Amino acid sequence: AQSVTQLDSQVPVFEEAPVELRCNYSSSVSVYLFWYVQYPNQGLQLLLKYLSGSTLVKGINGFEAEFNKSQTSFHLRKPSVHISDTAEYFCAVSDPNTGNQFYFGTGTSLTVIP
Amino acid sequence: DAGVIQSPRHEVTEMGQEVTLRCKPISGHNSLFWYRQTMMRGLELLIYFNNNVPIDDSGMPEDRFSAKMPNASFSTLKIQPSEPRDSAVYFCASTKIAGGHNEQFFGPGTRLTVL
Repeated sequence: AQSVTQLDSQVPVFEEAPVELRCNYSSSVSVYLFWYVQYPNQGLQLLLKYLSGSTLVKGINGFEAEFNKSQTSFHLRKPSVHISDTAEYFCAVSDPNTGNQFYFGTGTSLTVIP
Repeated sequence: DAGVIQSPRHEVTEMGQEVTLRCKPISGHNSLFWYRQTMMRGLELLIYFNNNVPIDDSGMPEDRFSAKMPNASFSTLKIQPSEPRDSAVYFCASTKIAGGHNEQFFGPGTRLTVL
């Protein structure tokens, strides 16, 4: 089975500063990669996904992520954060060899400080 | 589309009572997942169905938990009897099987409190 590691459980950052949320996964075989965001008292929403092609993926709300196969990483970045980006962020991996099952990381709580 | 619908949104019950959580997936989706989220354990997959058939229920914590999907548009997660440690937010998600790379769409969750 896959495993997903989100190295930082909490990330505080000042408004308009850049941020990077780190994600590593266990397998070097071809996988599909996702980032989800969860705002307080809401369900998870898809930010972006990598299936194939360009290793730099752009998502909603100005977020982007870069797939690095050699390092088995899929870090999420934003050049300038807003207060409204305060939320929980989850990295997930889907292994096409095991059907539709997703493997989620433990989440990173991003707090944007005014 | 209305998205994934879950009911109730909040449930408060007493220990020992039966609890039933409901989920209506997005129309046309044929894969459904039940997750549980707590501060201590994060997001855990409980069970998932493909074409109404349970595929993997290894995440179901114990026999007190059961899930059914009688048709493509409805699923239930039942806890009987409930215990305080079952308090959590329960999410339902759905997707359409298409090469295994489609994202999951999540419902708003049911916040369960067992007193």
